Amino acid sequence: EDQVTQSPEALRLQEGESSSLNCSYTVSGLRGLFWYRQDPGKGPEFLFTLYSAGEEKEKERLKATLTKKESFLHITAPKPEDSATYLCAVQGGGGSNYKLTFGKGTLLTVNP
Amino acid sequence: DSGVTQTPKHLITATGQRVTLRCSPRSGDLSVYWYQQSLDQGLQFLIQYYNGEERAKGNILERFSAQQFPDLHSELNLSSLELGDSALYFCASSPGGGLKQETQYFGPGTRLLVL
Repeated sequence: EDQVTQSPEALRLQEGESSSLNCSYTVSGLRGLFWYRQDPGKGPEFLFTLYSAGEEKEKERLKATLTKKESFLHITAPKPEDSATYLCAVQGGGGSNYKLTFGKGTLLTVNP
Repeated sequence: DSGVTQTPKHLITATGQRVTLRCSPRSGDLSVYWYQQSLDQGLQFLIQYYNGEERAKGNILERFSAQQFPDLHSELNLSSLELGDSALYFCASSPGGGLKQETQYFGPGTRLLVL
């Protein structure tokens, strides 16, 4: 069974203070690892897809990296508007089942 | 805006009742997924449809059922509702073309409160 563990559960940063969020996973045949951002009461917003170890993707102040066992979401010089819950999910297995298995998320708060 | 729409946005009902949640996928997407999000369980996969056919099932209760119609919209039916069914229900869609990865785009969700 696919499993995703995210740490820390919550992270509080000062504006401009860079940090990283961790996503550890076990999956049978990784198809893709996905990062989403979720604001309170809203649907998850797609950020990145990674599918091979060593891959990196960047978007504004965010950079996602992938190894065979974990992924990191690096946040450089965060701003208050980056405050949200960041969700990691894996898509594994074969066949036609494309379900996502999510971690419980990291709640990021960026103080001005 | 992801392009996925869900109605209604909020739903308040009583135990034992039945409700229907509706989802319209992004234009061109053939696959629809339903997820439940509760405070203690996080986002849990319920069921996937591809072009009208059920493709995969997750932790979906027997009281819950879904279908995807010829115009590709989907409905999730929840019956004999219990207090514990109160949660956010999300629909997501993806192209479904058999690619190696299928990025899913989520709708805004339906917040269900069972009293």
